[in-house]
Amino acid sequence: DQQVKQNSPSLSVQEGRISILNCDYTNSMFDYFLWYKKYPAEGPTFLISISSIKDKNEDGRFTVFLNKSAKHLSLHIVPSQPGDSAVYFCAASAKGSNYKLTFGKGTLLTVNP
Amino acid sequence: GAGVSQSPSNKVTEKGKDVELRCDPISGHTALYWYRQRLGQGLEFLIYFQGNSAPDKSGLPSDRFSAERTGESVSTLTIQRTQQEDSAVYLCASSFDPGPNYGYTFGSGTRLTVV
Repeated sequence: DQQVKQNSPSLSVQEGRISILNCDYTNSMFDYFLWYKKYPAEGPTFLISISSIKDKNEDGRFTVFLNKSAKHLSLHIVPSQPGDSAVYFCAASAKGSNYKLTFGKGTLLTVNP
Repeated sequence: GAGVSQSPSNKVTEKGKDVELRCDPISGHTALYWYRQRLGQGLEFLIYFQGNSAPDKSGLPSDRFSAERTGESVSTLTIQRTQQEDSAVYLCASSFDPGPNYGYTFGSGTRLTVV
């Protein structure tokens, strides 16, 4: 039972354009959502997060949007840069879960120069 | 140290052998987590430590898996009688008391291959 789904295993975009990575979840108890970025042979690094009381959070080139009614969130990267090429994981946590994260399978983003 | 350190970075073991994986969290981080990532999958939660106690072991897949943490620092994950399905990257993360951003810092992981 996959509670966090990233249905696109890969995404390819041109440098300077927008990258949109999508994530769906099924557990209505999730109240906090995060995006992590992972380069090969490295651990995931925290990118941006959003609480369920918000619908948008922005940090520089990265914006996360949350649509609670659709149980959907997305990460927008604009403008995309070649250094953004990595695997992006969506993760979620439920209140009272000791901040245990449930991760999606990841989306490999390739930004072409 | 500056980051979360895991050792070994790679481990190849024969089926049936025991393995021990080590995690050195960032100094002062009281929360420590173990996750694993099998090929083509997302990260799976294994166990959570707060200080030296483990209030959440719900992700340990079988009684062959155990973990301990001493002195609010180093943690070891032990897998007994390894099986091929145990092959995965085992990731450790640490943080201060969980906060709004969680502040997880992951190590680079131990790639375990059971042959």
